[in-house]
Amino acid sequence: SQQGEEDPQALSIQEGENATMNCSYKTSINNLQWYRQNSGRGLVHLILIRSNEREKHSGRLRVTLDTSKKSSSLLITASRAADTASYFCATDAVNSGYSTLTFGKGTMLLVSP
Amino acid sequence: DGGITQSPKYLFRKEGQNVTLSCEQNLNHDAMYWYRQDPGQGLRLIYYSQIVNDFQKGDIAEGYSVSREKNESFPHTVTSAQKNPTAFYLCASSAGGGARQPQHFGDGTRLSIL
Repeated sequence: SQQGEEDPQALSIQEGENATMNCSYKTSINNLQWYRQNSGRGLVHLILIRSNEREKHSGRLRVTLDTSKKSSSLLITASRAADTASYFCATDAVNSGYSTLTFGKGTMLLVSP
Repeated sequence: DGGITQSPKYLFRKEGQNVTLSCEQNLNHDAMYWYRQDPGQGLRLIYYSQIVNDFQKGDIAEGYSVSREKNESFPHTVTSAQKNPTAFYLCASSAGGGARQPQHFGDGTRLSIL
């Protein structure tokens, strides 16, 4: 099955700095989604970007998609300590006629005050 | 508030016992999912259901079972056949079917086998 792989595995920055996380995947997709997970909690959906889109914004989040390189990036601008979490990309896959999401292993972001 | 409720948050069971995890949603979503997450890993799909009375195996269904008798409920049983059941289990739902919609997650159940 397709799988997104995030890079780096872990990222440590200071408050106010920007954080960039990358996701690569193997085969063609219909859409790519980014999620956030605070420690011990469920995932929270951040952004969905479709294969015919190149960039989407939501507040301090900016997602880009390059289908020719099979990659996406998530940029968090002016980071805050509250942004400390794990971030996952997820791509759609076809499984027995249904389409399901396949998640990468995530990037763990630590934002220090 | 609309959302997904998983219970219990922590669960301890002895080896050889079956255990059932609860997942309820009041978002009126048709699709529901169960995932397993191991430390430092991403989510792996166990089972999913697009509509009531229908469900499909995911990537790691062996040793697990589910039912979908009501739209709002998708209980999940970890059977004694599951070789390594200690993990964090997450339930999710989405409007419509497929992966073209965002998924909404519960806060998980952490299962430990004693």
